[in-house]
Amino acid sequence: GQSLEQPSEVTAVEGAIVQINCTYQTSGFYGLSWYQQHDGGAPTFLSYNALDGLEETGRFSSFLSRSDSYGYLLLQELQMKDSASYFCAVRSFSNTNAGKSTFGDGTTLTVKP
Amino acid sequence: NAGVTQTPKFRILKIGQSMTLQCTQDMNHNYMYWYRQDPGMGLKLIYYSVGAGITDKGEVPNGYNVSRSTTEDFPLRLELAAPSQTSVYFCASLGGEARYNEQFFGPGTRLTVL
Repeated sequence: GQSLEQPSEVTAVEGAIVQINCTYQTSGFYGLSWYQQHDGGAPTFLSYNALDGLEETGRFSSFLSRSDSYGYLLLQELQMKDSASYFCAVRSFSNTNAGKSTFGDGTTLTVKP
Repeated sequence: NAGVTQTPKFRILKIGQSMTLQCTQDMNHNYMYWYRQDPGMGLKLIYYSVGAGITDKGEVPNGYNVSRSTTEDFPLRLELAAPSQTSVYFCASLGGEARYNEQFFGPGTRLTVL
């Protein structure tokens, strides 16, 4: 099976940098994705790491290390609007459940003034 | 493109009633997913489909059924509603250009079973 673990809550102040970690127990997956979800809204895609290393998209960066079964999402220059839940996710390419998607339980980020 | 659409947006069911949650995507995506999200929790996969005519169970399939007769539509059927099925249901799709692994989500259906 696949399981992903994230911290349940993180708090930071406006303008700061915050890192949200994701550790996983899975094999045979395409890569690690990150999604953002505001209260009452649908998840939206943020970032994807197919290979080990850092991917940067504006204020957001994501990192993957397959050897350590670990990834993280880095948010810089935090803004109040970044207060949301963040989910890591994988999608399997195994023969038995190709395409199956698994999400972590999410990390609630609160940005304070 | 409208993306992924879901109907209805809200629904209240009585215990034992049945209903179908509709999901349609106009992006010609092969992969489609149904998730449920309980308050303050993550997304749990109910069923998924890798293409028309192919469906498979996710983590929490009990009490639900799906079909995928066309690429565009992926309805979710609740046969005998139970209070434990009170949740927000999200449908998502993922396309052939899946190298970015981006799932596109619909706006969700908020279901209450009383």
